Amino acid sequence: NAGVTQTPKFQVLKTGQSMTLQCAQDMNHEYMSWYRQDPGMGLRLIHYSVGAGITDQGEVPNGYNVSRSTTEDFPLRLLSAAPSQTSVYFCASSPGTGGQYFGPGTRLTVT
Amino acid sequence: GENVEQHPSTLSVQEGDSAVIKCTYSDSASNYFPWYKQELGKGPQLIIDIRSNVGEKKDQRIAVTLNKTAKHFSLHITETQPEDSAVYFCAASTRNNDMRFGAGTRLTVKP
Repeated sequence: NAGVTQTPKFQVLKTGQSMTLQCAQDMNHEYMSWYRQDPGMGLRLIHYSVGAGITDQGEVPNGYNVSRSTTEDFPLRLLSAAPSQTSVYFCASSPGTGGQYFGPGTRLTVT
Repeated sequence: GENVEQHPSTLSVQEGDSAVIKCTYSDSASNYFPWYKQELGKGPQLIIDIRSNVGEKKDQRIAVTLNKTAKHFSLHITETQPEDSAVYFCAASTRNNDMRFGAGTRLTVKP
């Protein structure tokens, strides 16, 4: 199993551009989440999904959209990138009965 | 919502000594408390977790304790080794997908 995979690893955007961060898992987990990690602030939940077709907002959802059309994939869309969205983004999945499995992360810089 | 505080932010110990990291949480409904280890350039990795119906859990050199009355939980690492050097995060949740993280502790184990 590949576990949780994320693409791209690195991305630089200009203010106002849009893009999609990809996340996929091959463990048949129902739960998937997106977090951002900023220095000194731990991980903050952006959006999460408890199954295909179901998504909900986390702690810091503004500026981001998600969809969950399949169990495997959970893309995160930045609609109009802002410098405040410069961060490291992690996708995670879990079977719902234990801890989360994290992907390797995407480092995003918005200039 | 849930608020998790973690102390200390940095911790330096001599190889072979013990290390203790402490977290407090605010929501008395929280019932799941995982700990993650994050190495440089990687995603967090679950190392141990505890549920609210248990007071202590051990796994080889690591242990977690939970005091529900005081709303705090701790990670204990004994016989520390240089490879234990990393950033450690605590987290708390009422549902597995709505997880709030502490700000992290950077542990350095000196050989």
